[in-house]
Amino acid sequence: QQQVKQSPQSLIVQKGGISIINCAYENTAFDYFPWYQQFPGKGPALLIAIRPDVSEKKEGRFTISFNKSAKQFSLHIMDSQPGDSATYFCAASWPNTGNQFYFGTGTSLTVIP
Amino acid sequence: KAGVTQTPRYLIKTRGQQVTLSCSPISGHRSVSWYQQTPGQGLQFLFEYFSETQRNKGNFPGRFSGRQFSNSRSEMNVSTLELGDSALYLCASSPDRGLSTDTQYFGPGTRLTVL
Repeated sequence: QQQVKQSPQSLIVQKGGISIINCAYENTAFDYFPWYQQFPGKGPALLIAIRPDVSEKKEGRFTISFNKSAKQFSLHIMDSQPGDSATYFCAASWPNTGNQFYFGTGTSLTVIP
Repeated sequence: KAGVTQTPRYLIKTRGQQVTLSCSPISGHRSVSWYQQTPGQGLQFLFEYFSETQRNKGNFPGRFSGRQFSNSRSEMNVSTLELGDSALYLCASSPDRGLSTDTQYFGPGTRLTVL
């Protein structure tokens, strides 16, 4: 059973456009929602994360929007660049459970110059 | 600081064999987690070790096991390999300061191919 569902599976965006990746979760006990970026041949790297007590968090061109009532959160990449081409994973974790994360299935983003 | 290192980077085994993968966490990090990454399933949590003890375990069969040493280095073992075990195995370390939001730092992974 997939605890975190991610869409779309793949995304193609023009340079300068906005990339949007969506995730949905079932378990309301989750309290931490990170996004990871993975380049080929590399392990995932933390991009940005949010707690459910805020509805939005922005870091540079990357923004997380969080809708607690809908149990959904999304990643927005503004002014997308070819260097953003990578696979993006959303994840969720419970409080006080150590480091056990549930990941989405990933979105392959391609930014066309 | 050196990042998380995993050895070997690539491995080819045949069905029925067993394999041991190694992970060296970032210096000072006490928590080590293991994930299996496959194209269809994404990253799936295998287990987490903290202070040489398994703290969390995912939903994988008993053929998958691990351990952590006193220097926080960790190994995972897969016995009686099956074709479906072919995957990228990722190790992640965390400083684990008691915060649920501690960042996990991933290694580059070990690519296991089972023939």
